[in-house]
Amino acid sequence: AQKVTQAQTEISVVEKEDVTLDCVYETRDTTYYLFWYKQPPSGELVFLIRRNSFDEQNEISGRYSWNFQKSTSSFNFTITASQVVDSAVYFCALSDPTTSGTYKYIFGTGTRLKVLA
Amino acid sequence: DVKVTQSSRYLVKRTGEKVFLECVQDMDHENMFWYRQDPGLGLRLIYFSYDVKMKEKGDIPEGYSVSREKKERFSLILESASTNQTSMYLCASSLPRSGGGLKTYNEQFFGPGTRLTVL
Repeated sequence: AQKVTQAQTEISVVEKEDVTLDCVYETRDTTYYLFWYKQPPSGELVFLIRRNSFDEQNEISGRYSWNFQKSTSSFNFTITASQVVDSAVYFCALSDPTTSGTYKYIFGTGTRLKVLA
Repeated sequence: DVKVTQSSRYLVKRTGEKVFLECVQDMDHENMFWYRQDPGLGLRLIYFSYDVKMKEKGDIPEGYSVSREKKERFSLILESASTNQTSMYLCASSLPRSGGGLKTYNEQFFGPGTRLTVL
């Protein structure tokens, strides 16, 4: 069955610390996509990254980096030198094809990150 | 910019009322989704639509129905609201999966959410 696990419910760090948010997934598909979204206190989810299963290269975008490892079915997200504005709930998601040929997404339960000044 | 709007940020209804939540997107996306978000449970898919008048049940469709008469608008309907439907409701849209040798799953764009309270 398709499943996304974000075992860390809440993490608190002090500003400028590095922090890694874990995402472990289960899928029956050989081709799949993984996503990360950020939900700030305002409530609107913001797309951060998409990664397909054929591309295991790690990606860096400013202070954000993502480590995709098929061998461990993980897609972890690291924020370097965290800032108060990084405080949010972060969701990991997995593509899930449907029997009708369309697709949907499976979301993890989210990790709440609190960055303290 | 992709824009997904929802008709209300906050809504308070009584048990047994029929409730309509509206979602509109302005980027001509084929796919639209309705989720509910509850503490500790993440986002759970209620229904989604991959074309006008086409819909498919998500993981928790009971007590809900949807309507998509126009491509840009996707409505979630609570036929008879109950207190256990008190939640945050999120609408999203996306382009369809791209075809070819490697199908591309596109990211979703979310609206600001509607916090519904059923008394």
